[in-house]
Amino acid sequence: KNQVEQSPQSLIILEGKNCTLQCNYTVSPFSNLRWYKQDTGRGPVSLTIMTFSENTKSNGRYTATLDADTKQSSLHITASQLSDSASYICVVSFNTGGFKTIFGAGTRLFVKA
Amino acid sequence: NAGVTQTPKFQVLKTGQSMTLQCAQDMNHEYMSWYRQDPGMGLRLIHYSVGAGITDQGEVPNGYNVSRSTTEDFPLRLLSAAPSQTSVYFCASRAGTGYYEQYFGPGTRLTVT
Repeated sequence: KNQVEQSPQSLIILEGKNCTLQCNYTVSPFSNLRWYKQDTGRGPVSLTIMTFSENTKSNGRYTATLDADTKQSSLHITASQLSDSASYICVVSFNTGGFKTIFGAGTRLFVKA
Repeated sequence: NAGVTQTPKFQVLKTGQSMTLQCAQDMNHEYMSWYRQDPGMGLRLIHYSVGAGITDQGEVPNGYNVSRSTTEDFPLRLLSAAPSQTSVYFCASRAGTGYYEQYFGPGTRLTVT
């Protein structure tokens, strides 16, 4: 069964600290993986997009990694800021005669001063 | 460039009522989608369109209708609202499948009593 699982469900960190969010998937055949940031009451906004040939993709203080062999991805946030408080969603796309997408349930990050 | 817009922002319906959620995009994107987001779950695809006049069902289409008469607009109709349709609804658009960026609207929070 095609699934996307994210961990942890929620995380609290102090401002200025780093953190890493995890995404494991069982989707096949893999097409691409995206990380989104969703602020409370807003729609998701794309952070990174990676295909199977890309191991790392950065967007400012956000760095996503992908291991297509183990079907794992991580999102590392460096020097967190209060504005990083949001949900982070991992999304995996695959193509089985039609293009499909599965959204993870997200990790809720709280950054405290 | 407004991106993806949705109206209304909030809506309360009684069971059995019908309504239309509006979605528009000004990026000339061919692909548009409707998702619902429920607590603890990833976004789920309701209906999607690959161009004007072409629509198809997603993962959870029951109780919803769509049409796509223009490239810009993609309304979602609830035929007879049920409490199980209480959710946050997001419209999204993209230029194509695969590696293309997907842009989300701000969402409509719907409560059915």
